[in-house]
Amino acid sequence: QKEVEQDPGPLSVPEGAIVSLNCTYSNSAFQYFMWYRQYSRKGPELLMYTYSSGNKEDGRFTAQVDKSSKYISLFIRDSQPSDSATYLCAMKSTGAGSYQLTFGKGTKLSVIP
Amino acid sequence: SQTIHQWPATLVQPVGSPLSLECTVEGTSNPNLYWYRQAAGRGLQLLFYSVGIGQISSEVPQNLSASRPQDRQFILSSKKLLLSDSGFYLCAWSRGGLYNEQFFGPGTRLTVL
Repeated sequence: QKEVEQDPGPLSVPEGAIVSLNCTYSNSAFQYFMWYRQYSRKGPELLMYTYSSGNKEDGRFTAQVDKSSKYISLFIRDSQPSDSATYLCAMKSTGAGSYQLTFGKGTKLSVIP
Repeated sequence: SQTIHQWPATLVQPVGSPLSLECTVEGTSNPNLYWYRQAAGRGLQLLFYSVGIGQISSEVPQNLSASRPQDRQFILSSKKLLLSDSGFYLCAWSRGGLYNEQFFGPGTRLTVL
């Protein structure tokens, strides 16, 4: 079983739709969770960072973490064509010497005008 | 504000040739620095990280090496490239200590022929 599972898509939605992107993980040591957005041929851009179970909202984006189910989600409200990109979830464990982020393989999203 | 630079942006090299990729960070001191490789269908893989000048940790054995000659400079090298070294190489930084968010550069796309 991979440490982090993420549906690769592709996911295609009409403009204005609510998008739900998800990752599951198996390592209970993961305590910090991030979502990155990556446009084609560009570096990933950090969108959301959270470390507690529950919801965190930033504009049209909401990150949700359920540590008991080992499940995280990113919701995008009122999706726009400019949201078309690959979305990567990333996780990090706690503890001294722990620097590595473990990434999902990414979900490719297309928002159709 | 902080900025991360990588060059070159694109590189085509023959098998067996040497490699040198450079990454620099501006606007911060004592960052942690990271080299990742992103290959199609395989997600982001951490290659090296550094918590200070001259301090390099390797996550994956391979024919690549890294060096940190200055506080905000990180270099990825190889003496002889393999076909399997092709990919998208990303440099990232985080604040020193155990800050969790990592911020990525624009990347170098390397093709080994």
